[in-house]
Amino acid sequence: QKEVEQNSGPLSVPEGAIASLNCTYSDRGSQSFFWYRQYSGKSPELIMSIYSNGDKEDGRFTAQLNKASQYVSLLIRDSQPSDSATYLCAVPDLNQAGTALIFGKGTTLSVSS
Amino acid sequence: GAGVSQSPSNKVTEKGKDVELRCDPISGHTALYWYRQSLGQGLEFLIYFQGNSAPDKSGLPSDRFSAERTGGSVSTLTIQRTQQEDSAVYLCASSLYPGTGGKEAFFGQGTRLTVV
Repeated sequence: QKEVEQNSGPLSVPEGAIASLNCTYSDRGSQSFFWYRQYSGKSPELIMSIYSNGDKEDGRFTAQLNKASQYVSLLIRDSQPSDSATYLCAVPDLNQAGTALIFGKGTTLSVSS
Repeated sequence: GAGVSQSPSNKVTEKGKDVELRCDPISGHTALYWYRQSLGQGLEFLIYFQGNSAPDKSGLPSDRFSAERTGGSVSTLTIQRTQQEDSAVYLCASSLYPGTGGKEAFFGQGTRLTVV
């Protein structure tokens, strides 16, 4: 079973700060990585995808990928209380004939105003 | 459809009864996933369909669980002889392609199953 590891948190940051969320994965062959946001009682919502080493920026969100270290992170700049949610890292499981998407247990972020 | 649609949104059933959960994926999406999320827990992968085929059913928790997909579209997850530990939110997701690209998966709103 491939593994995706995340610190469960909670990660608490003040409004306006940078929140840094981290994820490690076990399958060195993984090629695509996804970050989902899940508000309490709601379904996960895709917010970022990244396929190449380096940074990918989308508004206040930046995904960072380092395949050599098997590490992917999500930075949220100018954090807002509305960013308070659980953030899930997901990686395709390459072992299967198709590919299933395996999720970490998520990091809970709390942004205080 | 515009998004992944699941029905029912809520289901309360008595222990020992069978339940059927339905997922209607985004039109044209070939891959479909079922996950389970218990209260305060992460997403537990159950099964994945590529078209109508499920390459690996080992994620299903027990032989009381089964799933099928027909016409490359709608999928049903059936739980027989439900137990209280089956209570959870069952989430369905779909994505356009099965390969390493185009893997972005989009979720439905889930079915909250409560076994009493």
